[in-house]
Amino acid sequence: AQSVTQLGSHVSVSEGALVLLRCNYSSSVPPYLFWYVQYPNQGLQLLLKYTSAATLVKGINGFEAEFKKSETSFHLTKPSAHMSDAAEYFCAVSEGSGNTGKLIFGQGTTLQVKP
Amino acid sequence: SQTIHQWPATLVQPVGSPLSLECTVEGTSNPNLYWYRQAAGRGLQLLFYSVGIGQISSEVPQNLSASRPQDRQFILSSKKLLLSDSGFYLCAWRGRGRETQYFGPGTRLLVL
Repeated sequence: AQSVTQLGSHVSVSEGALVLLRCNYSSSVPPYLFWYVQYPNQGLQLLLKYTSAATLVKGINGFEAEFKKSETSFHLTKPSAHMSDAAEYFCAVSEGSGNTGKLIFGQGTTLQVKP
Repeated sequence: SQTIHQWPATLVQPVGSPLSLECTVEGTSNPNLYWYRQAAGRGLQLLFYSVGIGQISSEVPQNLSASRPQDRQFILSSKKLLLSDSGFYLCAWRGRGRETQYFGPGTRLLVL
């Protein structure tokens, strides 16, 4: 069975500092991996995805993530945090583009950006 | 382009009352559709998914049910709400044969 673990339910950084949000996954098949962002009282917005192409994936708003099979990780990074990055971030794994396409989500990480 | 709508945006209901939340998708055909619940301080829990009209799969036993009367319409219902049904309900769609789910704006449900 697939699973996702996000290390750290809350991460706090200063504006301009590096953002690192950790995600480890478990999957018996080559996974598709996703990062979504959720602002208060809104739906989830796709930040980026890995679908077995390049292992370093660039997304919106300056975020990127690297798929490391040996470490079963898909950590999200941004070189310089902005106040507008404060939100909740979810990592998710999928069994692929198969018929159901179900996503398994991590518990989420709340990012706080301090001025 | 594709868009997904959910309504109502916010709902306050008494315990024991019925529920109907609606989700519609525009700009695509034959999508997979999903209902998630997000309880306060918790992650997303998949409740139901549908791969076609009238085809509903339930992921967890609960007080809720889902229906898909039309290709791009997905409805979440309950005959009698419980306090534990409070939460943020999200609908999502995925194109057939594609890998990404796209989410609606959500419905905030408070059961009192």
